[in-house]
Amino acid sequence: LAKTTQPISMDSYEGQEVNITCSHNNIATNDYITWYQQFPSQGPRFIIQGYKTKVTNEVASLFIPADRKSSTLSLPRVSLSDTAVYYCLVLKAAGNKLTFGGGTRVLVKP
Amino acid sequence: EPEVTQTPSHQVTQMGQEVILRCVPISNHLYFYWYRQILGQKVEFLVSFYNNEISEKSEIFDDQFSVERPDGSNFTLKIRSTKLEDSAMYFCASSEARIRDRDSYEQYFGPGTRLTVT
Repeated sequence: LAKTTQPISMDSYEGQEVNITCSHNNIATNDYITWYQQFPSQGPRFIIQGYKTKVTNEVASLFIPADRKSSTLSLPRVSLSDTAVYYCLVLKAAGNKLTFGGGTRVLVKP
Repeated sequence: EPEVTQTPSHQVTQMGQEVILRCVPISNHLYFYWYRQILGQKVEFLVSFYNNEISEKSEIFDDQFSVERPDGSNFTLKIRSTKLEDSAMYFCASSEARIRDRDSYEQYFGPGTRLTVT
């Protein structure tokens, strides 16, 4: 099982860039890395997925070094509404379930 | 944008009673899931469902749980005899494909049903 480790919490201010690093030391060759966001009392929501190098979409960027043992989610210019829990997950190609860890609670302050 | 819907949003029941939680997945999705989240804890996988049968289940999904797709649109989770420790937020999710089928895999979650067992 590819366990993930990420900070329990992070504080930031509006307009700043937030970077959350996740370690997944025993990631397998066929595994992907994906990130989800969860607001209080809501279901998780997909943010971004990658395999290696860099992936960018309209919401975030994901940086994955060559050894793939970690990944960094980058949220540019956060706003108060980005306050949420962010989960790093390793996708196992052999299964279909999402295995959530504790996530990182990001608090964006004015 | 299509979305997963769940009803009811909040269900209160007495210990030992049966409850059915309902979900309407996104219409062209083929894979369906239930997760739960006990207050203050992480999201836990319960079961995945495809082609009218369970494809994977966790240790939590014991004999008191069952899932069904009674028609072409609904997906239900039944808890036969609720216990206090079943109190949690239950999330339904659906996906168009399997993880192995494509480079971008996404599960769409519903808003959840908060189950309170008294």
